[in-house]
Amino acid sequence: AQSVTQPDIHITVSEGASLELRCNYSYGATPYLFWYVQSPGQGLQLLLKYFSGDTLVQGIKGFEAEFKRSQSSFNLRKPSVHWSDAAEYFCAVTPTQGGAQKLVFGQGTRLTINP
Amino acid sequence: EAEVAQSPRYKITEKSQAVAFWCDPISGHATLYWYRQILGQGPELLVQFQDESVVDDSQLPKDRFSAERLKGVDSTLKIQPAELGDSAMYLCASSFGRGPYNEQFFGPGTRLTVL
Repeated sequence: AQSVTQPDIHITVSEGASLELRCNYSYGATPYLFWYVQSPGQGLQLLLKYFSGDTLVQGIKGFEAEFKRSQSSFNLRKPSVHWSDAAEYFCAVTPTQGGAQKLVFGQGTRLTINP
Repeated sequence: EAEVAQSPRYKITEKSQAVAFWCDPISGHATLYWYRQILGQGPELLVQFQDESVVDDSQLPKDRFSAERLKGVDSTLKIQPAELGDSAMYLCASSFGRGPYNEQFFGPGTRLTVL
């Protein structure tokens, strides 16, 4: 079945430490790939997206993500987290084949930052 | 900076009552989306409009949910009657056009609690 999975429900890291959030997808053809962030009381904001080309994608707020076709993954990374990065992070995909070209979200990873 | 507006931000209702949510998209955005986000899950698309026309309502529970965008600008999502399982965050988003190349901008959401 087609799906997008975020294996980690909750991650805690110390301020200044590096971060990697995992995302895996299961689609016949590589879908379009997105990462969104949802801060308390705010709407989702697009961090970055991948359609094709360079597999390392740079986004806003110092985030980057790497597409690995062999692993069906699109992991989000940040070299050094700040307390303001505490939020919920969602990986999302849009299938490139079939009629339903809509965003399908993973269940999210909640990020907590220790001071 | 232009934003998607939603009201109310919070709504508490009793089951079997009717509720309505309002969304005002970013000016000039032809495509409008309503998502439902159950606690601990990612958003799920309920309905998508292109101007005033519905282009996808495959996940909308049509026996109790209705959505309209009469003049192709703002939109209303209604639930009648509300059930306990409808407790969730209802998010509105808009984009300039359809398809994955058009970034979706999200509003802050309406948190619904059904007692």
